[in-house]
Amino acid sequence: KAGVTQTPRYLIKTRGQQVTLSCSPISGHRSVSWYQQTPGQGLQFLFEYFSETQRNKGNFPGRFSGRQFSNSRSEMNVSTLELGDSALYLCASSLAPSGANEKLFFGSGTQLSVL
Amino acid sequence: GDSVTQMEGPVTLSEEAFLTINCTYTATGYPSLFWYVQYPGEGLQLLLKATKADDKGSNKGFEATYRKETTSFHLEKGSVQVSDSAVYFCAFNTGNQFYFGTGTSLTVIP
Repeated sequence: KAGVTQTPRYLIKTRGQQVTLSCSPISGHRSVSWYQQTPGQGLQFLFEYFSETQRNKGNFPGRFSGRQFSNSRSEMNVSTLELGDSALYLCASSLAPSGANEKLFFGSGTQLSVL
Repeated sequence: GDSVTQMEGPVTLSEEAFLTINCTYTATGYPSLFWYVQYPGEGLQLLLKATKADDKGSNKGFEATYRKETTSFHLEKGSVQVSDSAVYFCAFNTGNQFYFGTGTSLTVIP
């Protein structure tokens, strides 16, 4: 069974640009969560989608948005990039929403560098 | 608010040494507790979990006990190996979302 796939693996952008990251969950998983990982902050929750609906959202500005498609694949978009957005963005999938204490399966992440 | 506090790293140990990584949490209700591990260049993977007070989670020689009275979930291993070198994250789930600690980097030297 294929794991969680995130593309691209690395991205370099400049301030003011926008970026779209993609996540393909494990087959059969309907919940996808996104996290921002930085050395000082650890993992910060961005949002969670389940069956194409945003179920929960963390404390990030509106520049961060996401969506989920009918095949459970998810995309995350960051507009008007800032230097502080440089981070590893991790996607995690699970069978049920995270409120059910489901085990999360993580992808290897997309490393975003904003210059 | 809800949060996880875990021991800052990095931690460097010799092979076969005893490992403890401290973790405490602040949460409403009775969350489930987890330890995730991240090997270099990979995403996080579940190491162990405990869902109620006094439960002990264990896997690959690692153990952690859910201590409700001290709101703690310390990770221990009696004899670490070089292959245990990774970043360890303590986490809990409130029933609504996961909260992760900042991670503790462990390096085990032969």
